[in-house]
Amino acid sequence: NAGVTQTPKFQVLKTGQSMTLQCAQDMNHEYMSWYRQDPGMGLRLIHYSVGAGITDQGEVPNGYNVSRSTTEDFPLRLLSAAPSQTSVYFCASSYGNVPGNEQFFGPGTRLTVL
Amino acid sequence: GQQLNQSPQSMFIQEGEDVSMNCTSSSIFNTWLWYKQDPGEGPVLLIALYKAGELTSNGRLTAQFGITRKDSFLNISASIPSDVGIYFCAGQRRGSNYKLTFGKGTLLTVNP
Repeated sequence: NAGVTQTPKFQVLKTGQSMTLQCAQDMNHEYMSWYRQDPGMGLRLIHYSVGAGITDQGEVPNGYNVSRSTTEDFPLRLLSAAPSQTSVYFCASSYGNVPGNEQFFGPGTRLTVL
Repeated sequence: GQQLNQSPQSMFIQEGEDVSMNCTSSSIFNTWLWYKQDPGEGPVLLIALYKAGELTSNGRLTAQFGITRKDSFLNISASIPSDVGIYFCAGQRRGSNYKLTFGKGTLLTVNP
């Protein structure tokens, strides 16, 4: 199993550009989520999905869209990039219905918005 | 949103020393998880705790789920250089729709 994969690993955008961060998992996990990690802020939840066709907002959803058309994929879209979205983005997945929702993380996408 | 207070923020220790870090909250959690993040990588799960009072070990790591269900600690014994990284606690509350709340992390540096 490849686990959780994310592409690209690095990305530089100009303010106002749009892009999609890709996330895929091959563990048949129902639950997938996106976090952003900023210095001193820990991991903050952007959006999550409890299954195909179902998404919901996390703690910091503004400026981001998600969709979940398949169990495997959970892309994160930046509609109009802003410098405040410069961050490291992590995708995670889990079975969701186990007691602890033990999430497995991808390697991250490092995004810089100029 | 819910807050997890993780301390200390950072630690500088000598190889061979023991380390202790903890997370506290004003809310009750049903699950506590401890993750480690190496530089440039995603967090990796170290230990999962499911019951109040539970004490679980993973090699040199030991973690406990507090009796009040509002705290957890992680101990690392006989530290080695590869223990360097950021350690995160995470908790899941009942009715949170599987969402995890993360602490802000403890940065551990081990001097050989």
